[in-house]
Amino acid sequence: DSGVTQTPKHLITATGQRVTLRCSPRSGDLSVYWYQQSLDQGLQFLIQYYNGEERAKGNILERFSAQQFPDLHSELNLSSLELGDSALYFCASSIGQQSSEAFFGQGTRLTVV
Amino acid sequence: ELKVEQNPLFLSMQEGKNYTIYCNYSTTSDRLYWYRQDPGKSLESLFVLLSNGAVKQEGRLMASLDTKARLSTLHITAAVHDLSATYFCAAFSSGGGADGLTFGKGTHLIIQP
Repeated sequence: DSGVTQTPKHLITATGQRVTLRCSPRSGDLSVYWYQQSLDQGLQFLIQYYNGEERAKGNILERFSAQQFPDLHSELNLSSLELGDSALYFCASSIGQQSSEAFFGQGTRLTVV
Repeated sequence: ELKVEQNPLFLSMQEGKNYTIYCNYSTTSDRLYWYRQDPGKSLESLFVLLSNGAVKQEGRLMASLDTKARLSTLHITAAVHDLSATYFCAAFSSGGGADGLTFGKGTHLIIQP
C-alpha cells in the first residue's frame, strides 16, 4: 500500500457527462500528480499541484481541470467526456515540488460508454 | 521535448536466465526512475537513480544510469516467475511548463517456468 488513496476505483459514465476523481496523498506529501494511462498513449503526465498551487501542466485537455484543496487532497474533473477518455487515471504524490520519488495510488478506471 | 524509449517492449524468458531492459531518453535528465506494474494494479517504485554512474540493486534486479549516454538499464539476474510484470522507466523533465515524469511505453515481461 503506497499510502495514496484514490476514489472511486471504477467509474462508468456516458459520453458528454462530467465526473470527478478524488485523490488523497500520502501523509506529509505536498505534491500531487495526475497521470492518464491508456493502451494507445501509455502513461501521460497531466498536471501537478504543490501545496495548493498548480505547479506544472502536461498533456491535459482543456475539458479537464484539477485542484488541490487546503487539506492537500486533489480532485481531477473531466467534462464533456468522450469515448477516448476511457483510461486508467492515476494520482501520485511526493514530498517536494520536483519529483523526488512519487508514490502512485491504485488508480480510477474510467469507462465512457 | 523529452522522449523516453524502452526496449524490448515485450520479453518472454525462462526462469533462471539473465536479461537486460534498456531505457533511452532524448534530452538531459539526471533523474531516472523504474517502476513495476502488475496487471490491473498500480505502479510500484523500484529504483530512483539520481546521478551519473548510479547503480542500485534489490534482489534479482539491478538498475544503472549513464547520463552521458542517456541510458538506463534494468538487469534481471536468474529470473523467477514472480518477476513477471510490466516495467516502466521514467525520466524527469523540468521547465517548459511541464514538470513531471515522462514514461516509456513499458516492457511487458513474462517469465516462464
